[in-house]
Amino acid sequence: SQKIEQNSEALNIQEGKTATLTCNYTNYSPAYLQWYRQDPGRGPVFLLLIRENEKEKRKERLKVTFDTTLKQSLFHITASQPADSATYLCALDMNTGFQKLVFGTGTRLLVSP
Amino acid sequence: DTAVSQTPKYLVTQMGNDKSIKCEQNLGHDTMYWYKQDSKKFLKIMFSYNNKELIINETVPNRFSPKSPDKAHLNLHINSLELGDSAVYFCASSQAQGNTEAFFGQGTRLTVV
Repeated sequence: SQKIEQNSEALNIQEGKTATLTCNYTNYSPAYLQWYRQDPGRGPVFLLLIRENEKEKRKERLKVTFDTTLKQSLFHITASQPADSATYLCALDMNTGFQKLVFGTGTRLLVSP
Repeated sequence: DTAVSQTPKYLVTQMGNDKSIKCEQNLGHDTMYWYKQDSKKFLKIMFSYNNKELIINETVPNRFSPKSPDKAHLNLHINSLELGDSAVYFCASSQAQGNTEAFFGQGTRLTVV
């Protein structure tokens, strides 16, 4: 069966450390993978997109890797801040002509001062 | 200016009623979506419209009927509401078909009692 798995439990880290979130998928062949941030009571907000032929993408303190052999994406936040506390969602796009994002269940990140 | 706006933000209604949620985007995007986020925070696509035409229907019960009067608007009408319809419904839009970020509205929390 098809699955997208993210850490189901909250990830607690201290301010200043690097947070690493994982997204593992089974029986999908995504052409693109996206990461979104969701705050309580708000809609998801786009962070980064990485293509299947890209190994790594960076944006400021964020870094995403995409390993199509391992079927895994890692999302890193360096020098984390309490304001980074939120739920982070990965989403796969199979590139079937029309965008159809398939989301993981999300990982809640808590950054303590 | 809000890019993707939905109304209402909260909706409480009784079983069996019919209700509508409205969505508008001012980004000039061709593609709009409805997603449902259940109590476990799992976000799943329901419908996708491109230039007012339905392109994705994810086996949603036919009590749910989306309508797109123009490419900037996508409304969701739900007939004969059931308890299981309680969820947060998100409208989203994107520039093109695939390979682009999606912009989400703030969500409509529907509670069926």
